[in-house]
Parts: sequence; structure tokens; C-alpha cells
Amino acid sequence: NAGVMQNPRHLVRRRGQEARLRCSPMKGHSHVYWYRQLPEEGLKFMVYLQKENIIDESGMPKERFSAEFPKEGPSILRIQQVVRGDSAAYFCASSPRTGWDEQYFGPGTRLTVT
Amino acid sequence: AQTVTQSQPEMSVQEAETVTLSCTYDTSESDYYLFWYKQPPSRQMILVIRQEAYKQQNATENRFSVNFQKAAKSFSLKISDSQLGDAAMYFCARNYGGSQGNLIFGKGTKLSVKP
Repeated sequence: NAGVMQNPRHLVRRRGQEARLRCSPMKGHSHVYWYRQLPEEGLKFMVYLQKENIIDESGMPKERFSAEFPKEGPSILRIQQVVRGDSAAYFCASSPRTGWDEQYFGPGTRLTVT
Repeated sequence: AQTVTQSQPEMSVQEAETVTLSCTYDTSESDYYLFWYKQPPSRQMILVIRQEAYKQQNATENRFSVNFQKAAKSFSLKISDSQLGDAAMYFCARNYGGSQGNLIFGKGTKLSVKP
């Protein structure tokens, strides 16, 4: 059973460009969480999605950030008009059901904005 | 406020010795889960151990064990017989609770293991 897949592993964008980060959850998992890790910091929750639904986006910046988890295909975290402060590692985690289960993390995408 | 605090930014231990990493948290809920995650230089987040708050017995996983003090809202991680491969960042986390499940992380403790 393949683990959580994220791609790309490294992404470099110039200021003002768009960044698209992809996450394929583990097989059978329908719950996806996105977290952001700034240098020397712990992970901060951004958004929680189930298939075709955003359940909680309380950790997501109101501007420029969006997320989706379509019926088919991976979950996408999209950052429009990136700025230097968006440079961070973005982690995706999945679980088979909500609430109490262990979350399985992907290897992360390191975004660098130049 | 929903916070998780790790008061030790860095710790060091001699190989084969025992080390304890501290964690305190804030919550108004009675039912929740606590976790310790390890992040080696590869940056992959690896679950080390989990504790269910309603269970009084402290969780153990091989060389890793926790000291869970619910009233004090304390959740420390003990690593016995430390190995060079234990060197990593360690993050304490708790789930947000309710039906959400998203995790709240501390800032981490960097553990070095000396040969």
C-alpha cells in the first residue's frame, strides 16, 4: 500500500506566479489535511477536506490560497501570486476517517519563492 | 487558546542513555489524542507514539514511552537506550477534537545523539 504521495517535492516560483501542490492520499483514505511548516517552526494546520468538500479552512489565509479535493484525482493546494513569505514546506496528511485516527503524512513539498 | 508548548528547543543525549522531552498543552476538552512525531533531516513526519486521553495507562512503543499527566496537561516522551538514528526534530501534537481531527503542533525539540 503506497503511502501519501506529494508532488513536486521541490518547487521554485518567482514572486507573482502561481504554485500548485498535489497530494494523493493513501488508498482508501478520504480525508486530507494540509499543513504548512515555516523554518524553525512546527506544522500549522491550513485546511481539512473530504472528497468534494472543504470541511475546515480556518487555518488558510483568506487571500490567494485555495484547496480542493475532487471526486477523482489528487487534492490540490493552490497559491496565487506567490510572495516570499509563502516559502515553506507544505505537508499533506490523510486518514481513513475523521476525528481520532492517526494521520499519515506525505514527504512534503518545499516551496521557494524568489 | 489551543496551544501545545515544548519548552526545550534543543536536547542532547549520549548514545545508549535515556532522555526525556517535555510537552504541555492547553485544552478544555476531556477526550482527545496526543502524539509525538519525529522529523529526521529527510523532513518526513513519522509517528512515534500516540496516547488516548481517556486511557490512564501510559503508551509505550519499544524504546519510546510517555508520561501522561492529564490533570497537569503534560505529555513527556522518554527515549531509552538512545541510538544515533534517534537524532531528529521531535514534535508534540494534539488533535483539535470534535469531528475535525486536525492537529495542533508544538514548535519542536531538536534532539542530538552523541556517540
